[in-house]
Amino acid sequence: DAGVIQSPRHEVTEMGQEVTLRCKPISGHNSLFWYRQTMMRGLELLIYFNNNVPIDDSGMPEDRFSAKMPNASFSTLKIQPSEPRDSAVYFCASSFAQGHGYTFGSGTRLTVV
Amino acid sequence: AQSVSQHNHHVILSEAASLELGCNYSYGGTVNLFWYVQYPGQHLQLLLKYFSGDPLVKGIKGFEAEFIKSKFSFNLRKPSVQWSDTAEYFCAVITNAGKSTFGDGTTLTVKP
Repeated sequence: DAGVIQSPRHEVTEMGQEVTLRCKPISGHNSLFWYRQTMMRGLELLIYFNNNVPIDDSGMPEDRFSAKMPNASFSTLKIQPSEPRDSAVYFCASSFAQGHGYTFGSGTRLTVV
Repeated sequence: AQSVSQHNHHVILSEAASLELGCNYSYGGTVNLFWYVQYPGQHLQLLLKYFSGDPLVKGIKGFEAEFIKSKFSFNLRKPSVQWSDTAEYFCAVITNAGKSTFGDGTTLTVKP
C-alpha cells in the first residue's frame, strides 16, 4: 500500500496567489482529514470528510480556505488568495472508520512570501 | 467539547533512561486514544492505540501506554530510551463520531 499521498511536497508562492493542495487517501478508507501544523499553533484540524461528505469544517480559518472531496480517492484543499500567515505544513490523513486511528501523508510544506 | 493536555512540552533524557509522558483528556463519552510520533521533518506515525479491553497497550519500538479511566489519563512509557527516540510525541483522542483532538505535543530529546 502506498499510504496517503500528498502533492506537492513543497510549495512556495507569492501572496495573493491561489494554492491547491492534493491528497489521495488509502484505498478503502472512508474518512479523510486535513490538518495544519505550525510552531505557534501546533496541529490543527481544518476539516474532515466521511464518505466524501464534509462533516466538520469548523477548523477552516476563513473563507479563503475551501476543501473538496469529489470522490473516495481524491481531495483538495484550496487557499485563495494566499497570505504569508498561511505558511505551514498541511497534512492529510485517512482512516477506515470513524473513531479509528489515522494514517498521515508526508505533508505539503507551504511557504507564502 | 473534548480536550487533550500534555503536561510536558520538552523532555530531555540521557540514553537508557526511562520515559513517561503524561496525557490527560476530558470528554464525557467514549473515546479512542492514540499516541503518535513525529520524527524531525517527517509526518506523524501511529505508535499505539487503545479502543477497549486491556488498558495496558503495547506499541511499536518498545513503547507502551496505560489507560486509567478514573484519571482520564493515557500516559506513554518506555523503560529505556534511545537516541533515535528523539522526536515529538502527540497524544490524541478520537470520539466514535470521528471528532479528533490532538495534544500540543511533547518534544523528547535523548542525549547520546
